[in-house]
Amino acid sequence: SQKIEQNSEALNIQEGKTATLTCNYTNYSPAYLQWYRQDPGRGPVFLLLIRENEKEKRKERLKVTFDTTLKQSLFHITASQPADSATYLCALDVSGGYNKLIFGAGTRLAVHP
Amino acid sequence: DGGITQSPKYLFRKEGQNVTLSCEQNLNHDAMYWYRQDPGQGLRLIYYSQIVNDFQKGDIAEGYSVSREKKESFPLTVTSAQKNPTAFYLCASSIGTGKYEQYFGPGTRLTVT
Repeated sequence: SQKIEQNSEALNIQEGKTATLTCNYTNYSPAYLQWYRQDPGRGPVFLLLIRENEKEKRKERLKVTFDTTLKQSLFHITASQPADSATYLCALDVSGGYNKLIFGAGTRLAVHP
Repeated sequence: DGGITQSPKYLFRKEGQNVTLSCEQNLNHDAMYWYRQDPGQGLRLIYYSQIVNDFQKGDIAEGYSVSREKKESFPLTVTSAQKNPTAFYLCASSIGTGKYEQYFGPGTRLTVT
């Protein structure tokens, strides 16, 4: 069956450290993958998109990798801050590039001062 | 201010009643989406529309209906046939159906008792 898995347990880290979140999937061949941030009671906010032929994408303190062989994406936040505390969702395109997304359940990140 | 608005933020209904959730965008986006989010689960796609006067069922369309008569509006009706309607509903839009990020509204929390 098709699955997207993100760590259901919260990730707790100290301010200034690098947070690494994982997104694993099975039985999909996504054209691209996206990462979103969601704060409690609010809609998700887009962070990064990475295509199947890209290995890595960066934006300021954020970095995403995409390994289509391992069927895994890693999302890194360097020099983390308490304001980075939120739930992070990964989403796969399952429509061959027509933007029909399947979302993981998300991983909650807590950055402690 | 460009963006997506959803109203109301909280909605309470009695079982057996239909209810319509509003979604409006002024981003001039062609594609619009409706998702449902339940605690501990990823967003699940209900319906999506790639262009005015056209829409397709997502993964959990049963008990829901939509219309897309105007580019900026994509209302969702939760009918009495939906067995578990209590959830957080999110509307999103994107420029098109290619490799584009989705912009989300603030969500409507529907409670049916």
